[in-house]
Amino acid sequence: DAMVIQNPRYQVTQFGKPVTLSCSQTLNHNVMYWYQQKSSQAPKLLFHYYDKDFNNEADTPDNFQSRRPNTSFCFLDIRSPGLGDAAMYLCATSRGGGVRSGYTFGSGTRLTVV
Amino acid sequence: EDQVTQSPEALRLQEGESSSLNCSYTVSGLRGLFWYRQDPGKGPEFLFTLYSAGEEKEKERLKATLTKKESFLHITAPKPEDSATYLCAVQAGAGGTSYGKLTFGQGTILTVHP
Repeated sequence: DAMVIQNPRYQVTQFGKPVTLSCSQTLNHNVMYWYQQKSSQAPKLLFHYYDKDFNNEADTPDNFQSRRPNTSFCFLDIRSPGLGDAAMYLCATSRGGGVRSGYTFGSGTRLTVV
Repeated sequence: EDQVTQSPEALRLQEGESSSLNCSYTVSGLRGLFWYRQDPGKGPEFLFTLYSAGEEKEKERLKATLTKKESFLHITAPKPEDSATYLCAVQAGAGGTSYGKLTFGQGTILTVHP
């Protein structure tokens, strides 16, 4: 089945140690998104790629970066994780703007910072 | 700024006890309103998209409705397996909103007791 796969499901990292989360998709969707969801809060968009074009939300900290080497893969890099970065990170994809085609979410990566 | 508010924050029902969840929104040019189900530790699972006031959609025990200011998710005769967090999200089409961005509410945690 076509899907969005996030690895790893659970990631523990040390305070200040760079960490990379990955997302892959078999849907051939041209837009990929990264959302941050803290406990009992709404998912919040960090950035998205429209094809190869990177779009950062204005309030996304500089500590967060992303790479999309090809259509299928997208990575979230956290350069120096702080305790406040502990959250569920959700990857989503869509074809175009997603309103008519819908969005598909991965199962998420739960990041713990110790 | 786009805003989505869901109520109640938590809802406990007995099996078979019908109820409704509310999603109030303020956006500049609604392009679509989405309902998702999220189980603990997993990514959101798509339920419905509504595009214009007066629209209704149904799926099994769930029915979603939309007005110009809010959406309701009606649950008829719920079962314990309906227990989950239900998220509402909007995509706006004006005011410099990032392309394809979903703005989520904080969710309603539904618990259905046998």
